Amino acid sequence: DARVTQTPRDKVTEMGQEVTMRCQPILGHNTVFWYRQTMMQGLELLAYFRNRAPLDDSGMPKDRFSAEMPDATLATLKIQPSEPRDSAVYFCASARSGSTDTQYFGPGTRLTVL
Amino acid sequence: GQQLNQSPQSMFIQEGEDVSMNCTSSSIFNTWLWYKQEPGEGPVLLIALYKAGELTSNGRLTAQFGITRKDSFLNISASIPSDVGIYFCAGPPTGTASKLTFGTGTRLQVTL
Repeated sequence: DARVTQTPRDKVTEMGQEVTMRCQPILGHNTVFWYRQTMMQGLELLAYFRNRAPLDDSGMPKDRFSAEMPDATLATLKIQPSEPRDSAVYFCASARSGSTDTQYFGPGTRLTVL
Repeated sequence: GQQLNQSPQSMFIQEGEDVSMNCTSSSIFNTWLWYKQEPGEGPVLLIALYKAGELTSNGRLTAQFGITRKDSFLNISASIPSDVGIYFCAGPPTGTASKLTFGTGTRLQVTL
């Protein structure tokens, strides 16, 4: 049963600390998405990659957020320095090229910045 | 930016009842997707629609792609307790095949 995995599931940190979230896409999926979910804004797309190359990160605050795919099995989302307003659930999703409307989501990382 | 409005915002129904919810957009979509999210989990794709007027079923769920291409509907028949969750519509705005915009969600509660 292929699934997207994300670590950690929960993260509590203090303002100013660096946070790194990790995602393992489904094997064979070459498109990876990062989303953020909050009560106020709902689900928002932050960035996405195809074949490990960033295609669009216009939804991401550039000054403190960065997203990378060091290899085809790992995507990372880093926040440095973190702020309380970054508290949210961050989801990773993956899809096959040519079927990127059908995205499979991971369980999310719940981030709390104190 | 693009917004998808869902209604109702929340529903409290009794087990066995049928459920209807809808999603509207101010612009045309070429694909409509319906996702369900349970507490502590990511959204799970339920149904995908690709053609105006299309009606697609997945078990007790039926979704329709509105003929104006600016709306979509999801029906759940004979609801059961495990239908509880938040239902989201989503779609890629025209010209952005990979970028999904998500709706505001309909929260469904089912009582015994």
